[in-house]
Amino acid sequence: AQSVTQLGSHVSVSEGALVLLRCNYSSSVPPYLFWYVQYPNQGLQLLLKYTSAATLVKGINGFEAEFKKSETSFHLTKPSAHMSDAAEYFCAVSVSGGSNYKLTFGKGTLLTVNP
Amino acid sequence: NAGVTQTPKFQVLKTGQSMTLQCAQDMNHNSMYWYRQDPGMGLRLIYYSASEGTTDKGEVPNGYNVSRLNKREFSLRLESAAPSQTSVYFCASTPQGLEDSPLHFGNGTRLTVT
Repeated sequence: AQSVTQLGSHVSVSEGALVLLRCNYSSSVPPYLFWYVQYPNQGLQLLLKYTSAATLVKGINGFEAEFKKSETSFHLTKPSAHMSDAAEYFCAVSVSGGSNYKLTFGKGTLLTVNP
Repeated sequence: NAGVTQTPKFQVLKTGQSMTLQCAQDMNHNSMYWYRQDPGMGLRLIYYSASEGTTDKGEVPNGYNVSRLNKREFSLRLESAAPSQTSVYFCASTPQGLEDSPLHFGNGTRLTVT
């Protein structure tokens, strides 16, 4: 079975500081990995995805994530936080191969950006 | 483009009442999903429909039923609401499987059961 663990339910950074949101996954087969962002009172929207083409994945709004198989990690980073980045972020995993229709989400990390 | 539309946006029910949450997508997607979101729990899959005419249980199906009415619409029914079903419900869709296509989410239905 696949699972994902997000370390830290709440991360607080200053505007302009580095953003690092941690995600570790568990999967017995090669995974697909995703980061979604949720702004208040909205649904989730895709930030970026890893589907084995490249280990460093760039997404929208200046975010990127690196797939590290040896560490089973897919941490999300942004060099310089902006006030508009304040939101909840979810890491998610699905498994490759065949017809796959299930995505397992982490519990989320709430990012606060302080002026 | 409307994308994924959920109705209603808010609902308050008394214990034991029934209701149906509606979801429609206009992107010609094959697969549709219902998730619930609770604080500190992330999103948990209730039911999904890989294609028109099929439905399958997810992680937390008890107390819910679904209907894939046609390719566009996927409804979620609570036959006898319980306080434990107080949650935010999200419908999502994707063209086919999840390998290459992300989920497209609606804006959610906030349900309170008293």
